[in-house]
Amino acid sequence: SQTIHQWPATLVQPVGSPLSLECTVEGTSNPNLYWYRQAAGRGLQLLFYSVGIGQISSEVPQNLSASRPQDRQFILSSKKLLLSDSGFYLCAWNRNGDTQYFGPGTRLTVL
Amino acid sequence: AQRVTQPEKLLSVFKGAPVELKCNYSYSGSPELFWYVQYSRQRLQLLLRHISRESIKGFTADLNKGETSFHLKKPFAQEEDSAMYYCALRNAGGTSYGKLTFGQGTILTVHP
Repeated sequence: SQTIHQWPATLVQPVGSPLSLECTVEGTSNPNLYWYRQAAGRGLQLLFYSVGIGQISSEVPQNLSASRPQDRQFILSSKKLLLSDSGFYLCAWNRNGDTQYFGPGTRLTVL
Repeated sequence: AQRVTQPEKLLSVFKGAPVELKCNYSYSGSPELFWYVQYSRQRLQLLLRHISRESIKGFTADLNKGETSFHLKKPFAQEEDSAMYYCALRNAGGTSYGKLTFGQGTILTVHP
């Protein structure tokens, strides 16, 4: 069966520091991959999605970037974190536009 | 552009009472609507989708294209229904690859 992992589970970083969040999927190939942010009082916002290795689409302009170095690996990065980057980051996957399956999330606090 | 609105951030009911979580959408094409749920300390997961027309855990949701709504209903709420509920809309066509647009979410609390 398919599983999705996110690393780390929680992270506390100072303003201006870099960021790297990892998402990996097991048990499937060529998945569509998504990064969402769940900010307090603002619901779930799609940040990036990817339909293949090296293919990244950005949904909103921001301080973050995404990369997909391998078929089942999706990375969310920043060179310099802002306070407003704090939130709960969710990775998700699906195949052929079907139901999305979500990872456990990463809680990021920027101080 | 598509948009999903959940007007209630918080909703409290007593056990056994009916519950309705509201969801309205705007979309120029033919929408696919979903309800996702996140229980405490669990992952966000699909609850139901309008094309399935099924009842999950006693919940139902009917797509009303005239009112552009997809409200989630349950006649008798249970304490275990307490969770965060998200309404979501999917881009059904083109090169959207199944991207979801979510509402702001409603936290449902069912009191004993």
